[in-house]
Amino acid sequence: QKEVEQNSGPLSVPEGAIASLNCTYSDRGSQSFFWYRQYSGKSPELIMFIYSNGDKEDGRFTAQLNKASQYVSLLIRDSQPSDSATYLCAAHNAGNMLTFGGGTRLMVKP
Amino acid sequence: DTAVSQTPKYLVTQMGNDKSIKCEQNLGHDTMYWYKQDSKKFLKIMFSYNNKELIINETVPNRFSPKSPDKAHLNLHINSLELGDSAVYFCASSQPPGTSAPYYNEQFFGPGTRLTVL
Repeated sequence: QKEVEQNSGPLSVPEGAIASLNCTYSDRGSQSFFWYRQYSGKSPELIMFIYSNGDKEDGRFTAQLNKASQYVSLLIRDSQPSDSATYLCAAHNAGNMLTFGGGTRLMVKP
Repeated sequence: DTAVSQTPKYLVTQMGNDKSIKCEQNLGHDTMYWYKQDSKKFLKIMFSYNNKELIINETVPNRFSPKSPDKAHLNLHINSLELGDSAVYFCASSQPPGTSAPYYNEQFFGPGTRLTVL
């Protein structure tokens, strides 16, 4: 069974701090990995994807991938209250199919 | 200009009833999906259609039947609703998977339909 696991949280960080969100996956055949942000009562929206080992930066967000350890992370620098949401990690398998983790709820306190 | 729309937004019904959820996308995508998100926030793929043809059908009771009249629409019909069907159902669309890394095209999600079965 292909699984993606995340700590459900909540992860609480003060405004301006770095938030670190982690995810592990079981299927070594997974090719690409995605971070979606979901505000309460809203639909998921893609914020980053990564498919090569190492780091990928986009503004305040950095995604990290370690395929040997089957580990993906998302760092959010200078966290803002507007970053408070649930962050869903997803692994891409066959076709265009995504397997999602259960999400980590992030709370950024002013 | 809504890219992926779903109706209704909320659906409250009794056990045993039959209901439908409609989805439309105006992005020109070839592939559409239905996901179920339960109370624990797990988002799980149910069906995927490419150009009106079913390409993924995960382990879903046959009470759930998707219908795609054209590639811009993918409706979900549910027969004999059960308490466990209560969830938020999301429709999504994308282009088919690419042939080079990251082998994936972004899926755009609709606003969701919150189904409550009493």
